[in-house]
Amino acid sequence: RKEVEQDPGPFNVPEGATVAFNCTYSNSASQSFFWYRQDCRKEPKLLMSVYSSGNEDGRFTAQLNRASQYISLLIRDSKLSDSATYLCVVNLNNDMRFGAGTRLTVKP
Amino acid sequence: AAGVIQSPRHLIKEKRETATLKCYPIPRHDTVYWYQQGPGQDPQFLISFYEKMQSDKGSIPDRFSAQQFSDYHSELNMSSLELGDSALYFCACKTGLAGDTQYFGPGTRLTVL
Repeated sequence: RKEVEQDPGPFNVPEGATVAFNCTYSNSASQSFFWYRQDCRKEPKLLMSVYSSGNEDGRFTAQLNRASQYISLLIRDSKLSDSATYLCVVNLNNDMRFGAGTRLTVKP
Repeated sequence: AAGVIQSPRHLIKEKRETATLKCYPIPRHDTVYWYQQGPGQDPQFLISFYEKMQSDKGSIPDRFSAQQFSDYHSELNMSSLELGDSALYFCACKTGLAGDTQYFGPGTRLTVL
């Protein structure tokens, strides 16, 4: 079993849709959590850190539930430019563990 | 703002050859990580350095070695290349072991023929 598991995807949604990604992690001692975005053949780029209190950045909302070891990312009013692979990343003692990623395609 | 620089961006080698990949972290970022990402895979951690010392080791083959220099740049040396080494190699950096966020370089695409 992978340490970080994500929805397999792919998600194909129309512009303006709301889409949610889920992620679970196996090690309860994990210390920090992130969502990265990766475009095809490009490097992962930090989208947002994830906190227990939840955090929002424009159309993006991230939530962390430590008790359930669950992380989510909500994208509202999706744009064509949101098309990418979204990586759930969990940090334990400076060891970053990546989920396999969920591919999102936003269509006109 | 300065970003992570990797060179070369693309590299083509033949089996059994050697390759050296370079990473120049963001200024004042003293911790460097190397990742390998195969097609359709998530990044796999290879090795990391903090203040020029190896800090952690992941799934790095014995044929690979790496080091971090006094100016904090890092080099990944790969010998006896195999077809399966073809991948994107990312370098990421952050400030100190306790710093949270890793910033990735653009990657080096290695193709082994």
